[in-house]
This record gives sequence, structure tokens and C-alpha cells, in this order.
Amino acid sequence: QVQLVESGGGVVQPGGSLRLSCAASGFTFSSYGMHWVRQAPGKGLEWVAFIRYDGSNKYYADSVKGRFTVSRDNSKNTLYLQVNTLRPEDTAVYYCAKDRGQLMNFDYWGQGTLVTVSS
Amino acid sequence: QSVLTQPPSASGTPGQRVTISCSGSSSNIGSNYVYWYQQLPGTAPKLLIYKNNQRPSGVPDRFSGSKSGTSASLAISGLQSEDEADYYCAAWDDSLTEGVFGGGTQLTVL
Repeated sequence: QVQLVESGGGVVQPGGSLRLSCAASGFTFSSYGMHWVRQAPGKGLEWVAFIRYDGSNKYYADSVKGRFTVSRDNSKNTLYLQVNTLRPEDTAVYYCAKDRGQLMNFDYWGQGTLVTVSS
Repeated sequence: QSVLTQPPSASGTPGQRVTISCSGSSSNIGSNYVYWYQQLPGTAPKLLIYKNNQRPSGVPDRFSGSKSGTSASLAISGLQSEDEADYYCAAWDDSLTEGVFGGGTQLTVL
């Protein structure tokens, strides 16, 4: 069965960095686009980033452009999100989600990893 | 302020039919598919409706989606207590080149 398992979250000071990972299994990872979506505590969903199945195309939310970088290693079935210059407003649960072939069509989600930006 | 606009709350009694609206623009709903997600408390979102009105396998036919112009709606008939959750609409925005979600609608079953 399809599994997406995020890791790498934690508490970091403003201006700090983290690398989030999403380990995928149960499907042909290299055939699907992948996304990151976040949810601040008590708030709604916010789309963060997308990477095409082969890594050739990437899109970012304006709120993270220039600070976050999405990448993937298809040989390891793993998606990454490098998050730099963190701000308190980046505090959220970060979910990875599998694309179903159309943008925003997410058929599987991970359980999320919490990033807390605080001094 | 979300790009897609949803009512913050909705409610109904068991067995009733409720609808949740999602309003956007020509660059998102008007030119792309709409998706609906259900999020139960403390869990990851779950795909409820894809490509405007299609249900993934396992989603009861009590849930239906529709789209007209730059608006979409989710209808839930035969409301059940387990439908109490947050519901989000989503679409791709061609002008922003970003994914966009509605602000979410908290559904209460009275």
C-alpha cells in the first residue's frame, strides 16, 4: 500500500534551516509529481511547492520563494524540502502529498512533520 | 486571505443535505479542475472529490461536487455524524503559477 512518511521537523530559531524528507513506498515514485502542503496551528491548508516526476519542473508559493527548495531522489524514493531563513510564520505541520497526475489532485498524504520556528 | 473563498462554517442535522460553496476566478476555478478535501480532527486531509465531480473509490455517493464558471460546490446528502470535519476546495492558479486552497469550512452535525 502507498505510504508517505515525513521526517526532519523540529524546533528552530528564526533565520535557521531544516531539511524535511518524505520517504515514499508502495508506488512507482519516479512516475509521479509530488507536493508539499503546510498547515499552521489551527489554520487552513497552504500549498507550498511542487516538483515534477523527473525533477525538471518546480513551482513554489510566493510566500516561500527564494527560501525553500524542493528536490527529489528517485533512486531513494525520497522527496525533500530544504527550508532556509525560517520565520515564525513558517511554523506549521508540513505534509507531503502524491500527485494523481493533475496539479492539486492529491490521492495520498503523509502524516506530516511539525516545524516550529521560535526563539 | 485565501484565493478561493469558502464560508468558514456550515451545519446541518443528521439526514439533511448541506452544500459548501467555493468561489474563485478565471485563473483558477474558471480554467482548471476543482478538488475537495476532507480533514478529520488531528488527521491528514483526504481526497473527497477530484476533477470537479469525480469520487475516488471508497468515497460514499452521498458526496458530490459541481462546478459552474468560477464557482464550485460540494454537496453532502444524508448527513451523518462522522461527516463532521473541515472541508477544503483546491485548484491550480494559472496566473499565480501556484496551488490554491480555500480557507476551509468547518462542518458541524447538530
